[in-house]
Amino acid sequence: AQSVTQPDIHITVSEGASLELRCNYSYGATPYLFWYVQSPGQGLQLLLKYFSGDTLVQGIKGFEAEFKRSQSSFNLRKPSVHWSDAAEYFCAVGAYAGGTSYGKLTFGQGTILTVHP
Amino acid sequence: DTEVTQTPKHLVMGMTNKKSLKCEQHMGHRAMYWYKQKAKKPPELMFVYSYEKLSINESVPSRFSPECPNSSLLNLHLHALQPEDSALYLCASSPTARVTEAFFGQGTRLTVV
Repeated sequence: AQSVTQPDIHITVSEGASLELRCNYSYGATPYLFWYVQSPGQGLQLLLKYFSGDTLVQGIKGFEAEFKRSQSSFNLRKPSVHWSDAAEYFCAVGAYAGGTSYGKLTFGQGTILTVHP
Repeated sequence: DTEVTQTPKHLVMGMTNKKSLKCEQHMGHRAMYWYKQKAKKPPELMFVYSYEKLSINESVPSRFSPECPNSSLLNLHLHALQPEDSALYLCASSPTARVTEAFFGQGTRLTVV
């Protein structure tokens, strides 16, 4: 079964500083990987996805992520954080559920990002 | 239009009430999902509909009853819920039910009293 680990529960950065959120996955086949962002009490917004090809993927809001198969990682980065980036970030792996051809997302526990002015 | 719309945004219901959550998308997606998110936890899959047929039920109690009247609408009927069912219920859709990106609604905050 697939699983996702986000080692950092809470990260605090200063506005304008760079950001890296860590994500490690466990899956027996080629993973489909996603990063979502959630503001308090809101739904999830897709930031970016990796299916295949170039291991550095660009997303919305200036975010990027790099897939490293050897490290089973898919870390999210942003060169300069804005106060509006404060939210919870979820890494997810997509896989087929229980021998079916239906996909499901399995999420990590999330990382809460606080941005100091 | 990349929106998934959920109504209501907030719902308070008693343990003997019957209520329904509604979800709508007009992106032509053929897969729709219900997720449950408890406070400070990640979303967990409840149901998957593919081409309006229930394809996955993640062992959800029968007090939750999903319905997909057409390809744009998804309902979740609630009956005899328990306080521990209080959570954010998220609807999502994707182009197909194969592994692909899912687009989420804003959720319904449900409180069972």
